[in-house]
Amino acid sequence: DGGITQSPKYLFRKEGQNVTLSCEQNLNHDAMYWYRQDPGQGLRLIYYSQIVNDFQKGDIAEGYSVSREKKESFPLTVTSAQKNPTAFYLCASSMVSGQGMLLLLYGYTFGSGTRLTVV
Amino acid sequence: KNEVEQSPQNLTAQEGEFITINCSYSVGISALHWLQQHPGGGIVSLFMLSSGKKKHGRLIATINIQEKHSSLHITASHPRDSAVYICAVNLYPGNQFYFGTGTSLTVIP
Repeated sequence: DGGITQSPKYLFRKEGQNVTLSCEQNLNHDAMYWYRQDPGQGLRLIYYSQIVNDFQKGDIAEGYSVSREKKESFPLTVTSAQKNPTAFYLCASSMVSGQGMLLLLYGYTFGSGTRLTVV
Repeated sequence: KNEVEQSPQNLTAQEGEFITINCSYSVGISALHWLQQHPGGGIVSLFMLSSGKKKHGRLIATINIQEKHSSLHITASHPRDSAVYICAVNLYPGNQFYFGTGTSLTVIP
């Protein structure tokens, strides 16, 4: 079955350490996204990538880094510069149709999430 | 400033009740999504709407583009419908998504 796999489901790290969250999809989707979810807040976009070797900052990119070396993979690194890293992280992917004003996302699919706790 | 507002924030219903969750947005959009998040955190996309109405089983989603408003209805609610329901809009132009804070639904047997 096609889908998005995020691993691990729970992750604990010591303060000051970098940590990388995995996101893999076998849906042949062009675009991939990382969101952060905090209690009482909507999902917020960290980074997104529409094609391999290209990615764009979202609303809260500070303290995070990503790479998109393969279409299937979009790992997120939470660096020690991120002041409040403890959160629930969701990866998503979508097909992309058209361009510019006619850009349309469809087939939007979420992963099951990684809960990161920094102690 | 929140581009997407949902109401209510929390909702408790008796099994069998008809449920409505509302979503208002303040920007031009190309599509609106209704998502369901279960306690484990995983999210499922329920609907993607750009106009009119869609129905899937006991779920109905409507959107009024002129009024910038969408509703998600659940008919004959069941305890397994208990989840957080999130409204998300895909801005036009561009591919930025904005999410509501979610509506936490609990259906009591």
